[in-house]
Amino acid sequence: QSALTQPASVSGSPGQSITISCTGTSSDVGNYNLVSWYQQHPGKAPKLMICEDNKRPSGVSTRFSGSKSGNTASLTISGLQAEDEADYYCCSYAGSSTYVFGTGTKVTVL
Amino acid sequence: QVQLVESGGGVVQPGRSLRLSCAASGFVFTNYVMHWVRQAPGKGLEWLAVISYDGNNKYYADSLKGRFTISRDNSKNMFYLQMNSLGADDTAVYFCAKFSSSGYYFDYWGQGTLVTVSS
Repeated sequence: QSALTQPASVSGSPGQSITISCTGTSSDVGNYNLVSWYQQHPGKAPKLMICEDNKRPSGVSTRFSGSKSGNTASLTISGLQAEDEADYYCCSYAGSSTYVFGTGTKVTVL
Repeated sequence: QVQLVESGGGVVQPGRSLRLSCAASGFVFTNYVMHWVRQAPGKGLEWLAVISYDGNNKYYADSLKGRFTISRDNSKNMFYLQMNSLGADDTAVYFCAKFSSSGYYFDYWGQGTLVTVSS
C-alpha cells in the first residue's frame, strides 16, 4: 500500500489550464477504473471532485476533468480561478477492500 | 442533509489508547460502507480502515499493524475507531467518511478530530 505519486506543487495563472498527475501501479490505478480526486482547502475536509477516473459529481464545476492512461491518472483544471488554490489528492482502490491516496499536490494560482 | 461529526480526539500519552466516534445523520446509515482517514500535520491523506454496512467485514491499512479496530453501532447511527498503543506518528486529524452507494469513492466527510500523542 505505497502512496500514489503526485507532484508536490503545480502553479498556473488565472484562466490557464493545469494538469496534476497521479502515478500508481498495475495493482491499483492501472487495474481498476476507480480513481477519485479530492480538493482540500486549509483546515477543511476534502471535497470530491472526480470519481471513477473521469466522472464529475453533480455540483462540481465543468472546469474539472479526469482521465487515465495505464498506471497514471490525471486531473485537469481548465480556466484556473483563485478559488481553485488548494491541495488535491487522488485516491485509488488497491484491491482486497483497501484504498490508497496520492501524496498530494498544492495548486497555486499565480 | 448528510452530516458526519467526529468526536473523541485530544491529547493522549504514548502507549495509551483512545476511541474516536463518528455520528452520522441525514442518510440511511445501515445502507452505507464507512471509512476512517487521517492526516498528519502538514502531510497528506492516509486511508486507515473500512467497515461494511452490517459491520461484518472490516479491512485495514497494513501500516496500522493491528493496533486499530473499526466498529459500528447501526442502532445509534455511530461508528468508531479504537486506537491502541499510540505513538507520536499517530498524531493527526482523523476524518470519518461515507462511501457512495454507487461507487468506490468518498462522497461525504466529517470535519475531523485532532489526536495529539504526546507525553
